[in-house]
Amino acid sequence: KNQVEQSPQSLIILEGKNCTLQCNYTVSPFSNLRWYKQDTGRGPVSLTIMTFSENTKSNGRYTATLDADTKQSSLHITASQLSDSASYICVVSDRGSTLGRLYFGRGTQLTVWP
Amino acid sequence: EADIYQTPRYLVIGTGKKITLECSQTMGHDKMYWYQQDPGMELHLIHYSYGVNSTEKGDLSSESTVSRIRTEHFPLTLESARPSHTSQYLCASSEPRTVSETQYFGPGTRLLVL
Repeated sequence: KNQVEQSPQSLIILEGKNCTLQCNYTVSPFSNLRWYKQDTGRGPVSLTIMTFSENTKSNGRYTATLDADTKQSSLHITASQLSDSASYICVVSDRGSTLGRLYFGRGTQLTVWP
Repeated sequence: EADIYQTPRYLVIGTGKKITLECSQTMGHDKMYWYQQDPGMELHLIHYSYGVNSTEKGDLSSESTVSRIRTEHFPLTLESARPSHTSQYLCASSEPRTVSETQYFGPGTRLLVL
């Protein structure tokens, strides 16, 4: 069964600290993996996307890693800011075609305290 | 920021009422989607469209219906709302098939059926 599992479910950190969010998936065949940020009351916004051949991708203070062999991904946030408080969703696509399906994780709810 | 809009943002309505959730995008995307999201849970695809006059049901069974008469407009209708329909509804669109086909989400409509 194709699934996307994220951990932890929620996380509280102090402003300025770093944190790492995890995503494990069983989706096959694999096409790509995205991390989305969803602010409260808003729609998700794409942060990074990685294909099978990529194992690291950065977007400012966000760095995503992908290990396609172990089917694991992580999102590392450096020097956290209050505006980083949001839900971070891992999304895996099974094919890069018009028939491709997206599998969503339940997200990690991150809270950054001053 | 994505040019995709949803109205209303919040809706409280009584059981048995007919409602239409509006979604429009100005990016010229052919593909559009409706997702349902409950708090702390993953997004579930309920409808999608590949273009004008194309509509398909998604993975999650839904009593709602959709139409796609114009490229930019993808409304969702519930003929008779029930408390079980209480949820957040997210609309998304994506550009034509590319390796990194990213879905752009609207802000969502939070529906409460009493």
